Amino acid sequence: SQQGEEDPQALSIQEGENATMNCSYKTSINNLQWYRQNSGRGLVHLILIRSNEREKHSGRLRVTLDTSKKSSSLLITASRAADTASYFCATDDTGFQKLVFGTGTRLLVSP
Amino acid sequence: DTAVSQTPKYLVTQMGNDKSIKCEQNLGHDTMYWYKQDSKKFLKIMFSYNNKELIINETVPNRFSPKSPDKAHLNLHINSLELGDSAVYFCASSPGQVKGTQYFGPGTRLLVL
Repeated sequence: SQQGEEDPQALSIQEGENATMNCSYKTSINNLQWYRQNSGRGLVHLILIRSNEREKHSGRLRVTLDTSKKSSSLLITASRAADTASYFCATDDTGFQKLVFGTGTRLLVSP
Repeated sequence: DTAVSQTPKYLVTQMGNDKSIKCEQNLGHDTMYWYKQDSKKFLKIMFSYNNKELIINETVPNRFSPKSPDKAHLNLHINSLELGDSAVYFCASSPGQVKGTQYFGPGTRLLVL
C-alpha cells in the first residue's frame, strides 16, 4: 500500500502542552502537506513543505521534513481545546498523479 | 459563501438503490476530486477531474460514475448500492495542480441498510 502511516494513532494532552505527531511515507515526494479534520467536518489544509525544505513554521505549527528517513513531524505548541481534531499528512508521490493521505492522528486536548 | 459545498449532507438508503451526491465549488479551481473515507478514517481518492476531463480513476467499481457538467461541478452517481459503500464521501478542489493544496467540502455521510 502507498498509504503513509502516522504515529501515534491517538494522543491525549492538556491545554498548554505541546503535541507532536509523526508521519512516515514510502516513496519519493515533491512535497508533503498536513491537514486537520474536526469531527464531522471536511479536511482543512494547514501547511505544505517542499522536499528541499527541512522546516517550516505557521503560527503555532512547526513542520519538519527528513527526506532521507522519509518522515515528517507536526508540532503544535501551546495547544488549545480547539486543536482537538484528527491530523493527516498527505504526500504527492512522484510516481502517481494524486495525493496519498496518511492514517491520521487523533488529538484530544483537554481543558 | 461556502467554498466547496456538497449535497446532501446525510444519505440513508436501502441496498440496491441508486443515489447521487452533488458537489459545487466557487473557488474557480480547475481540478475537482471525490474521496472516500471509511470508518477507520482512511481517506482514499476515487476520481479526479481537470476542466471537466477525467484524469484519475482509481480502482473503483463501475457502479460509481462521476459526472462533471462544468468545471465548478462534480457529481457522483452510485448504482446498486451495497453495504460496503457506507462511508463519508468528500468532494475537494484544487487550483490546477493535482498534487497541490486541496480544499475539501463538508462530506456526505452515506449509510446503506
